[in-house]
Amino acid sequence: AQSVTQPDIHITVSEGASLELRCNYSYGATPYLFWYVQSPGQGLQLLLKYFSGDTLVQGIKGFEAEFKRSQSSFNLRKPSVHWSDAAEYFCAVGAQGTYKYIFGTGTRLKVLA
Amino acid sequence: GAVVSQHPSRVICKSGTSVKIECRSLDFQATTMFWYRQFPKQSLMLMATSNEGSKATYEQGVEKDKFLINHASLTLSTLTVTSAHPEDSSFYICSAKGLATHNEQFFGPGTRLTVL
Repeated sequence: AQSVTQPDIHITVSEGASLELRCNYSYGATPYLFWYVQSPGQGLQLLLKYFSGDTLVQGIKGFEAEFKRSQSSFNLRKPSVHWSDAAEYFCAVGAQGTYKYIFGTGTRLKVLA
Repeated sequence: GAVVSQHPSRVICKSGTSVKIECRSLDFQATTMFWYRQFPKQSLMLMATSNEGSKATYEQGVEKDKFLINHASLTLSTLTVTSAHPEDSSFYICSAKGLATHNEQFFGPGTRLTVL
């Protein structure tokens, strides 16, 4: 069965600092991988996705993620965080065939001015 | 990109009443729609998957008689919370997938349900 782990429940960084949010997955085949961001009371916004090909994926808002098959990881990175990046971040794995998504528990990002 | 809408965005109802939430794909045909539930400060949990013209498939632990899902057309799915109780209060999010979206689901903005 597929599963997603986001080890960090909360992360606090200073504005301008770099950011890395961790995501580890369990899936028997090559997964479809996604990162979403959610502001309080809002829906999900897709930051980036990986289906195949280049393992370094560029997304919106300056985010990128790297798929590492050997580590079953898909960590999200940003070189310089802005105060507006404060939100909840979810990693998700999509299953081939059923297209069901399993979401991680989320990481809440706080940005200090 | 593909757009999915939900209506209403917020609903408050009395305990014991039923509430219907609509999910529409605005610019593509949604062969599959998914319904998620999100409790405050928690992740999204898949409730059910519906394919157009077929009965919905519910995840383990989700009461199908409580959460009625209808996917009668390629652009509309509805979730009806029957005999709602305060513990049903939650954020409900739908998503849709079609041939045009390939491997990706597109998410609606969510519906906040509060049961008094």
